[in-house]
Amino acid sequence: QKEVEQDPGPLSVPEGAIVSLNCTYSNSAFQYFMWYRQYSRKGPELLMYTYSSGNKEDGRFTAQVDKSSKYISLFIRDSQPSDSATYLCAMMAASGSRLTFGEGTQLTVNP
Amino acid sequence: DAGVTQSPTHLIKTRGQQVTLRCSPKSGHDTVSWYQQALGQGPQFIFQYYEEEERQRGNFPDRFSGHQFPNYSSELNVNALLLGDSALYLCASSFGIGYEQYFGPGTRLTVT
Repeated sequence: QKEVEQDPGPLSVPEGAIVSLNCTYSNSAFQYFMWYRQYSRKGPELLMYTYSSGNKEDGRFTAQVDKSSKYISLFIRDSQPSDSATYLCAMMAASGSRLTFGEGTQLTVNP
Repeated sequence: DAGVTQSPTHLIKTRGQQVTLRCSPKSGHDTVSWYQQALGQGPQFIFQYYEEEERQRGNFPDRFSGHQFPNYSSELNVNALLLGDSALYLCASSFGIGYEQYFGPGTRLTVT
């Protein structure tokens, strides 16, 4: 069983839709939760970074962490065609160092 | 402020050869991590360098080795290349223990 599970999609939505992206994990040691956006043939770009449980909002993006369920989400409001990319969840234990990634969800926002 | 830079952008090698990839961290960062990303997969952690020493290593064979220089830049070396080593190699930099890691554009390695 993988430590981090992420639905690979692909996910296709119309412009303006609310997008929900999700990951589950099995390692209770994970304390830091990140979302990265990766455009085709580029490096991942850090979008959101959350410590432990709770919500964090940044513009159109909201990250949620539920440690009791080992479940994290990223919501994108008023989605734009420029949001079309692969979204990767990543996690890290308190001891730091290594990020453990999901396999990524490919999102397409249609004009 | 320059972000993480990597060189070369693309590389084609033959099975059995050796390759060296290079990374310069973001200004102010002192820690470099290397990841391998196969097509359609998430990045897999190879190792991390801090204070010129390997701090942690992922599940990769000894053919993968690295180095960090006093200016915090880093190299990833892969010996005896296999076809399965074809991937995007990503370098990420951070400060200290590395909770926020920022990635470079990657080096795409093709082994034929």
